Amino acid sequence: GDSVTQMEGPVTLSEEAFLTINCTYTATGYPSLFWYVQYPGEGLQLLLKATKADDKGSNKGFEATYRKETTSFHLEKGSVQVSDSAVYFCALSDRTGGFKTIFGAGTRLFVKA
Amino acid sequence: DTGVSQNPRHKITKRGQNVTFRCDPISEHNRLYWYRQTLGQGPEFLTYFQNEAQLEKSRLLSDRFSAERPKGSFSTLEIQRTEQGDSAMYLCASSLAQGGDTQYFGPGTRLTVL
Repeated sequence: GDSVTQMEGPVTLSEEAFLTINCTYTATGYPSLFWYVQYPGEGLQLLLKATKADDKGSNKGFEATYRKETTSFHLEKGSVQVSDSAVYFCALSDRTGGFKTIFGAGTRLFVKA
Repeated sequence: DTGVSQNPRHKITKRGQNVTFRCDPISEHNRLYWYRQTLGQGPEFLTYFQNEAQLEKSRLLSDRFSAERPKGSFSTLEIQRTEQGDSAMYLCASSLAQGGDTQYFGPGTRLTVL
């Protein structure tokens, strides 16, 4: 079945450092890919999405590019802030599965001032 | 606020009791999903509805779990004879059926079974 694998955390960075969180997926169809973020004490929020190969999703300085050839959707940000500290989930959904979302295990990010 | 709402936000119960959670989706969304999230893991799909029809159930959804969406609006998730392993965050999400690959999540109901 479909699955998502993302790098284990926690990831600890200093403010203004460059962030990469790796994500790879396995899917039989042509899924849409997502990054969700969960801030402490809050619910899941959609951060960005990409619906087809070579699409780039971006939001709040975060970016991820849908790479079909490497089945990857790595999350990047050029300069992290303390307020970016959260858990980040890579996910996919596929119309053949009724658009249910398959999530990775999450990567916790700590950003130090 | 027109987001997805869930009630209650927290529920503590004793093993063997029944519990029921409610989800109110975004009003124009005709798809509704339930997920379960345990500590340190990503959410896992449980079931989903399109309007009032339950179209898919995960094998995670044992016969102690039942979900309904009687009028195609709000949904309830009931767990009978709760077990300690049912302790988790239960998340609801909704989306549009047309091009509806983006799901909007509620804040969740945290269940603790003692």
